Amino acid sequence: SYELTQPLSVSVALGQTARITCGGNNIGSKNVHWYQQKPGQAPVLVIYGDSNRPSGIPERFSGSNSGNAATLTISRAQAGDEADYYCQVWDSSTSRVFGGGTKLTVL
Amino acid sequence: EVQLVESGGGLVQPGGSLRLSCAASGSTFTSYAMSWVRQAPGKGLEWVSAISGSGGSTYYADSVKGRFTISRDNSKNTLYLQMNSLRAEDTAVYYCAKDTDLSAFDIWGQGTMVTVSS
Repeated sequence: SYELTQPLSVSVALGQTARITCGGNNIGSKNVHWYQQKPGQAPVLVIYGDSNRPSGIPERFSGSNSGNAATLTISRAQAGDEADYYCQVWDSSTSRVFGGGTKLTVL
Repeated sequence: EVQLVESGGGLVQPGGSLRLSCAASGSTFTSYAMSWVRQAPGKGLEWVSAISGSGGSTYYADSVKGRFTISRDNSKNTLYLQMNSLRAEDTAVYYCAKDTDLSAFDIWGQGTMVTVSS
């Protein structure tokens, strides 16, 4: 089965750039999607297809994917960006699979 | 825009059954696949099951295969999850979510809580 690995936590200073990684075997060959989830709320799609933003998602959110790691980058981090972030892919053996999630703290 | 509303959660004993529903508003319900995703208390997201727009193809996580059944009634714009032989580890918030062509989940319901306990 296909597995995705994320760091448990990432910290970023207010106004700086946060990077959250998602590791997987040859993940660069897959479409990676990213979700933001705040406490008590449903997840929200923030990046799809590696680097595309749904309407309404700020340009501060961007994504990249190559080799064995995908990255979600949040520029000019704000207090409101504090949340859990999950990567997700589709794999032929596992169908849809999520990473374990990363808690982003804005200091 | 499509909106999703889940219902049917509750408290059930181990070994029991429960059926979740997800009502979709808006048109073209048949044109997209749907999934169920769950989240145990304090844990991460886990994909559970998916169904094609026509209902002709279904997919399951290994953890629920043989116990859960996904279905949809396109005439009622409703998605279902029949859960049998429930276990304590099935305790979670269950979300329904709309699939995109790239198998991303672009629209989510608010979730319904399922608690399996004696």
